[in-house]
Amino acid sequence: NAGVMQNPRHLVRRRGQEARLRCSPMKGHSHVYWYRQLPEEGLKFMVYLQKENIIDESGMPKERFSAEFPKEGPSILRIQQVVRGDSAAYFCASSPIVGGQETQYFGPGTRLLVL
Amino acid sequence: QKEVEQNSGPLSVPEGAIASLNCTYSDRGSQSFFWYRQYSGKSPELIMFIYSNGDKEDGRFTAQLNKASQYVSLLIRDSQPSDSATYLCAVNPGSGDMRFGAGTRLTVKP
Repeated sequence: NAGVMQNPRHLVRRRGQEARLRCSPMKGHSHVYWYRQLPEEGLKFMVYLQKENIIDESGMPKERFSAEFPKEGPSILRIQQVVRGDSAAYFCASSPIVGGQETQYFGPGTRLLVL
Repeated sequence: QKEVEQNSGPLSVPEGAIASLNCTYSDRGSQSFFWYRQYSGKSPELIMFIYSNGDKEDGRFTAQLNKASQYVSLLIRDSQPSDSATYLCAVNPGSGDMRFGAGTRLTVKP
């Protein structure tokens, strides 16, 4: 019973490059959430997606960041033209239902380092 | 005012003592409340969730919720050095996304 899977676990990019982070939810889960965590800080909500639908992107920076959750395949968080301030741990979580009481389970995270 | 507030700590307790972690939240309409544990360099791990006012116990852990005071706490009895971690309080306001506190760092000294 695989949990939430994220890859890559570590990603190094130079300023100006693109970063693509992937997340496969737990089996049976159709809701995906992305969070960013800066060193020594808490988790910051970025975006909430269902299959082929963005539900809430209120935490997503307006520029350079985008997310998708296609009908087939993992959810992708894409960061274009990365800057040093994008260096952080990016966690994906999934949940089985919507309604306000669902529990989110986290993947291992992707540590992004921008040189 | 932050949506979810926690004392950043560090909170230090001796082994075997009770550790008390506190959290307040601003959205009165919040419906569900979660405690996650995060070891350094690892992902958050769910410890407990609570939906109703009162206490909920699971082994050495007890979550307490007071919606009138907008307060949720986590008690850890018989604290062990392996409990040393950052504890994250999370609140689901009902819209699907989760709001996290900054976390309280707990150290349990042998």
